[in-house]
Amino acid sequence: AQSVTQLDSQVPVFEEAPVELRCNYSSSVSVYLFWYVQYPNQGLQLLLKYLSGSTLVESINGFEAEFNKSQTSFHLRKPSVHISDTAEYFCAAAGNKLTFGGGTRVLVKP
Amino acid sequence: DGGITQSPKYLFRKEGQNVTLSCEQNLNHDAMYWYRQDPGQGLRLIYYSQIVNDFQKGDIAEGYSVSREKKESFPLTVTSAQKNPTAFYLCASSLGSRGEPQHFGDGTRLSIL
Repeated sequence: AQSVTQLDSQVPVFEEAPVELRCNYSSSVSVYLFWYVQYPNQGLQLLLKYLSGSTLVESINGFEAEFNKSQTSFHLRKPSVHISDTAEYFCAAAGNKLTFGGGTRVLVKP
Repeated sequence: DGGITQSPKYLFRKEGQNVTLSCEQNLNHDAMYWYRQDPGQGLRLIYYSQIVNDFQKGDIAEGYSVSREKKESFPLTVTSAQKNPTAFYLCASSLGSRGEPQHFGDGTRLSIL
C-alpha cells in the first residue's frame, strides 16, 4: 500500500526565520511527488513537483524541496518565511494513485 | 482564465436530504476527482472519472454518487445514506497521467442543520 506521512501537524515559526516541513512516503512503485499549499477556505494550489532529474526542485516564491530516494523523503524548505506563507501544506505522492499526507499547518508569527 | 468552479461555496442540509455539489472545469482536462477534507485527515478520495460516462469509486464512496455526462462537469450527490456529511468538499481535475498535477476548485463547505 502507498502512504504519505507528514511528520508535523503544526509548525509555528517567526517571520524571516527558516522553516522545514517533513514528508516521508512509502510505495512499492516509483512515484512522482508534489507539494501543495492551501490558504483558508480555498482549494489546493500546486507549489512544486518532482518527476525526474535533479533531486532539488524550486518554486517561484522561494520554497524548495529535495527528493531523497534512500530515505524516501521529500522535505519542503524555505530559508526565510513571510507572514503570507501562513497556510496548510500538503505533500502528495503519485504511484498507482495520488495519495496525500495529513497536512502541516504553518503559522508565521511577526 | 481557465479553472475549476465549485458551487455553492456553503451548503446546508437537513437530515434525510440529498444534496448535489456542482463542479465545472474549462481546462479541457480528461480526469476529474472529488475529495473530502476533514481537519487533521488530509484529503480522502470519494470518486474519480478518467473519461466521460465512466467513473470509479475512491476510498470513501459510501453514501455518495456521481455522474459524468459531459467532459466539463462532474457533480457529486451527497445522499441521506452518508451519516457524517459535514466536511469541506474539493473537486479537482487533471490531464490524467500520474505525473500531471491536479488543479483544484475553491471547495464547498457542507453543514448539517
